[in-house]
Amino acid sequence: GQQVMQIPQYQHVQEGEDFTTYCNSSTTLSNIQWYKQRPGGHPVFLIQLVKSGEVKKQKRLTFQFGEAKKNSSLHITATQTTDVGTYFCAIIQGAQKLVFGQGTRLTINP
Amino acid sequence: EAQVTQNPRYLITVTGKKLTVTCSQNMNHEYMSWYRQDPGLGLRQIYYSMNVEVTDKGDVPEGYKVSRKEKRNFPLILESPSPNQTSLYFCASSFGRSNQPQHFGDGTRLSIL
Repeated sequence: GQQVMQIPQYQHVQEGEDFTTYCNSSTTLSNIQWYKQRPGGHPVFLIQLVKSGEVKKQKRLTFQFGEAKKNSSLHITATQTTDVGTYFCAIIQGAQKLVFGQGTRLTINP
Repeated sequence: EAQVTQNPRYLITVTGKKLTVTCSQNMNHEYMSWYRQDPGLGLRQIYYSMNVEVTDKGDVPEGYKVSRKEKRNFPLILESPSPNQTSLYFCASSFGRSNQPQHFGDGTRLSIL
């Protein structure tokens, strides 16, 4: 079935640096969701992208959906310590299965 | 307060002793699902349910059972737990289908000795 590859697995940055995580699929996606999980916490929904080439912003976070709807990215500008956590993308496989990427764990040096 | 409640939060048990992890949501959501989270593997879906009495397998259903007798509850049953089921488990729910934002419980950490 459809799978999604998420890279990188880990990213360590200095506070104030930018951060990007990518999700790639070999097949066209109907939509893609992004979640954030703080250390010791549960995943929290951030956003859903549906349209080809879609770009959405939430303060310092920018989400993009590729033109071919096979890839997506999450970019954080000027990271802050509150951005620490693991970021997951999720896609729908088949009828109603939800498949998550492996996640990108972001750590920040203050 | 809208929430997904899992119990217990932590459990240490032994191989072969049947256990149930409960999940309840108060948002009248149709879609509910269970995930396990292991280091380096992300979140993997175990089972999902689109409504009462409608359940289906996710990616890693072996060794697990579920039931959906009521809309609000979706228990996860391990009939004969084994050490490879030691993991962090999350229940989630959403309106409608899986293409809606998922609301997660706080997680259940299971250790099977």
